[in-house]
Amino acid sequence: GAVVSQHPSWVICKSGTSVKIECRSLDFQATTMFWYRQFPKQSLMLMATSNEGSKATYEQGVEKDKFLINHASLTLSTLTVTSAHPEDSSFYICSARHPGSDHEQFFGPGTRLTVL
Amino acid sequence: GQNIDQPTEMTATEGAIVQINCTYQTSGFNGLFWYQQHAGEAPTFLSYNVLDGLEEKGRFSSFLSRSKGYSYLLLKELQMKDSASYLCAVTDSNYQLIWGAGTKLIIKP
Repeated sequence: GAVVSQHPSWVICKSGTSVKIECRSLDFQATTMFWYRQFPKQSLMLMATSNEGSKATYEQGVEKDKFLINHASLTLSTLTVTSAHPEDSSFYICSARHPGSDHEQFFGPGTRLTVL
Repeated sequence: GQNIDQPTEMTATEGAIVQINCTYQTSGFNGLFWYQQHAGEAPTFLSYNVLDGLEEKGRFSSFLSRSKGYSYLLLKELQMKDSASYLCAVTDSNYQLIWGAGTKLIIKP
């Protein structure tokens, strides 16, 4: 159990376009999901905490108008990178907190975004 | 501030044992995780410690000392597939995960 999926697994887009990434908890309901970004040879950086039915909490330095997060249901959170630029190219990973465990996060497989 | 330190890179020989250390200073403590991450993939869970002592799981063991703000991950009988980054992460008082920068482990034949 506790499987988290992400779609797409990779995407290439032109500069200025918007890209939506979906994160789904497949066999449990997640009131809290997390979005991370990871640049090459660096650790995970938390971008925002997504809470079902309420606004996401963004980390310092992350533009909320550029990285739109919607957690409309207990199994789905989406991250939209608006007006993407080459510097947004990164590995985006979501995770979900299982309701039966207030500590462990289950990670999706990640989405590789390349902006040309 | 919150800080987690672990070595940037370590090298070990196939079949040997390696210990990866992690020290932390966080606002509150609700457990420490070790994750394994292969290049281009998401992290996968290895271990969780919330009480002092050693947790053993097959070839991998994790130790925690809360009073010292210290943990280590011990990998035995190293295999080539163990080449990966190992991430130490601490859950703070708000149950937020604070991540270390990761230790890249290189296994040589």
